[in-house]
Amino acid sequence: EPEVTQTPSHQVTQMGQEVILRCVPISNHLYFYWYRQILGQKVEFLVSFYNNEISEKSEIFDDQFSVERPDGSNFTLKIRSTKLEDSAMYFCASRPPRATQYFGPGTRLTVL
Amino acid sequence: SQQGEEDPQALSIQEGENATMNCSYKTSINNLQWYRQNSGRGLVHLILIRSNEREKHSGRLRVTLDTSKKSSSLLITASRAADTASYFCATDQIYNQGGKLIFGQGTELSVKP
Repeated sequence: EPEVTQTPSHQVTQMGQEVILRCVPISNHLYFYWYRQILGQKVEFLVSFYNNEISEKSEIFDDQFSVERPDGSNFTLKIRSTKLEDSAMYFCASRPPRATQYFGPGTRLTVL
Repeated sequence: SQQGEEDPQALSIQEGENATMNCSYKTSINNLQWYRQNSGRGLVHLILIRSNEREKHSGRLRVTLDTSKKSSSLLITASRAADTASYFCATDQIYNQGGKLIFGQGTELSVKP
């Protein structure tokens, strides 16, 4: 069964550094999402992406965040200058039209 | 407004017992979904119930939806130790063009052998 994949599974970075989290959505899906989950808390929506542009973003998704679909298969989340509070599990999801979302296994980001 | 608040926050039962988790939400929805998350792992989709449905079954799972009360419940029958996980409801709000999901705080279920 097709799966959403994410790399790396765990990323450790120093505060102020840039990180890029990578996702490969399921190939025929058209809608893409990033969510995050701070340890022990609920999953929070960050951004949705469709037709090569952001369709919606949350208050969390400030100017430090950006998303890109550079080559038609990868979907990336970039955090330009990481803060301690960016430490969280980041989930990518994708879906075809009028269907449920499929989540990847997540990338655990630790900012030191 | 906050969507998808679950109760209880934590539930501990013996293997073989039924587990019931509840979810309430505030705005109108297209559908409501339940996900499971094992500790520190990814989200596994369990079941989706549309706003025009009242009940849905999948194996040992039974989900109900009451749109007049803006609430849903997830029942796991004959629980097993392997059901130990966190369970989240997530809503797809009406007028939501992007299809984002709003998750609740989750219920941590512990099934003791």
